[in-house]
Parts: sequence; C-alpha cells; structure tokens
Amino acid sequence: QKEVEQDPGPLSVPEGAIVSLNCTYSNSAFQYFMWYRQYSRKGPELLMYTYSSGNKEDGRFTAQVDKSSKYISLFIRDSQPSDSATYLCAMTGTYKYIFGTGTRLKVLA
Amino acid sequence: EAGVAQSPRYKIIEKRQSVAFWCNPISGHATLYWYQQILGQGPKLLIQFQNNGVVDDSQLPKDRFSAERLKGVDSTLKIQPAKLEDSAVYLCASSRQYGQGENTEAFFGQGTRLTVV
Repeated sequence: QKEVEQDPGPLSVPEGAIVSLNCTYSNSAFQYFMWYRQYSRKGPELLMYTYSSGNKEDGRFTAQVDKSSKYISLFIRDSQPSDSATYLCAMTGTYKYIFGTGTRLKVLA
Repeated sequence: EAGVAQSPRYKIIEKRQSVAFWCNPISGHATLYWYQQILGQGPKLLIQFQNNGVVDDSQLPKDRFSAERLKGVDSTLKIQPAKLEDSAVYLCASSRQYGQGENTEAFFGQGTRLTVV
C-alpha cells in the first residue's frame, strides 16, 4: 500500500464549479499537510499548508484535514480556466515530504 | 525574494553519458532538496541537505547519482552513466529549515527536463 494515494484524474469541470481534490494516507505520523499546484512544464507551487485536523481558507481555496479518517481535501470555489493544472498533495511527519501522484484538473471556459 | 534557480532547463543526452544539474536555493534557506519527477508521478526525494550535510539520501541510486552542496548554498546533482529510465524532470527545492512546523515549507524551482535516448 502506498503511503499517499491520490486519484490521478483527469478531472474536467465547467468554469465556476466547485472542485474537490482528495488524498488518503496510511501513516498516522503525518502532521503537516500541503497542497501544491503544478502547471505544465513548471515546478510545483505551494498553495496551502495546514497542521493537523481542521480547515484553512485562503481566497477561493479551502484545505481540509481529517486525521481520524486519514483524508485531506482541497476545495476550489468558483473555478477558473487558470486553475487548470496538476494538484499535488504532500505530507510530512518528521522531515521527509511524501507526495501524491497528482490530480490533473481542467476547467472548461 | 528571488526563487529557486535551476539550470539547464532542458537536456538531451545519450545513454551512458554523464550530465550535471545546478541549483541555487532561496537566500537564507538552510535545507535543499533534489527530487525526481517521472511523467505522471509525484516528485520522489533523491537527497536532502541541511546546510552542507546530508539528511537523507536513502533513495539516491548511489551507483550512478551523486550530489554535493559544498558551501551550504548552491548544489549540483550528477548522473554518470545515465540510463533510459533516468528520463524525468529533476526538481530542486529549498526551505528555511527542515522538520515540522513553520518555515519548513518547500519552494521549488522550475526543474530540469532530462531526456536520455
């Protein structure tokens, strides 16, 4: 079993839709959770950084962590074509980041 | 604040040749990471430095890959000899420190796309 599982997609949604991206994990030692956005031929860009369970909001983005279920989510409200990218979850319990495989998102105008 | 700089952006080599990648982290960042990202996969950590010391190189194929960060600032990653399966994007990242909590977020460069033919 992989430490971090992420649906690779692709996920296609119409402009303005609410998008839900998810990761599950198996290591209960993970404490810090991150979401990165990666445009084609670019490096990953940090979007959200959360600690333990709960929600964190930043503009149109909300990160949610449920440690009891070992499940994290990223919600994008009012999605835009510019949100089309691959979204990577990452987590760490000590010092090593473990990344998911990424979900490709396409927002259609 | 300038981001993580990497060069070259693209490289095509034949198998069994050698190649080197360069990374300059964000100023003041003590931790530097090299990741390998194969198409359709998430980044995989190859090696992590704290200043000029190695924190983790457990997934670095040491028979062909080497990395150094001699003065605790910029770093080079070398592959010698290259294999077809080394075709990937090599990402460098840095953070203020490593471990848990604030200031451990990793910031990535644009990557070097390596094609081995």
